[in-house]
Amino acid sequence: QTVVTQEPSFSVSPGGTVTLTCGLTSGSVSTSFYPSWYQQTPGQPPRTLIYSTNTRSSGVPDRFSGSILGNKAALTITGAQADDESDYYCVLFMGSGVYVFGTGTKVTVL
Amino acid sequence: EVQLLESGGGLVQPGESLRLSCAASGLTFRACPLSWVRQAPGKGLEWVSGISAMGGEHTYYADSVKGRFTISRDDSKNTLYLQMNSLRAEDTAIYYCTKYAGQYTGNSYFEYWGQGSLVTVSS
Repeated sequence: QTVVTQEPSFSVSPGGTVTLTCGLTSGSVSTSFYPSWYQQTPGQPPRTLIYSTNTRSSGVPDRFSGSILGNKAALTITGAQADDESDYYCVLFMGSGVYVFGTGTKVTVL
Repeated sequence: EVQLLESGGGLVQPGESLRLSCAASGLTFRACPLSWVRQAPGKGLEWVSGISAMGGEHTYYADSVKGRFTISRDDSKNTLYLQMNSLRAEDTAIYYCTKYAGQYTGNSYFEYWGQGSLVTVSS
């Protein structure tokens, strides 16, 4: 069974930079997995941030960026703001119509 | 404006069935591939199932629901469905209706999300 791993939590100072990663327990993540990233605050549905590795969704601030770092997909927040405090999830397309969400990362800004 | 409105959630006992609906507006429904994503209380997101556009010839399922859940669509009613049979306690979750970007279920992402419908499976 495929497991997509993310760091459980990160803390970042206001104005600081944090990089979240999205990896596989077996194998490397590449652009072929079409990684996408979602932000979720309590009680709300997820919001699409990044798709196709590094394309920002409409209205997403440019302090959010996506990339491949080594063998993982990555989401970087540059110049973190208080309202970036959220849960973040990656998703990988595994082929044959199947998608797998990562385990999620809780980001605290303080 | 794209809107996805889920309905049909509720409390059911283990082993029972339930059907979720998702009414869509603000889009050309028949041209849109769609999916269901769920989130157990206090847990992460889980992709559940996807269906192709134009009548839904192709359907896909997570291993955790394969053989128990059936996704379908009625393009004449702009509505997506999820028939859930043999429900288990671990199926308790908020179920989100989502629209894939583009024309296909593959190599895509979840462009729009509904507000979700809560399904609770408990005796």
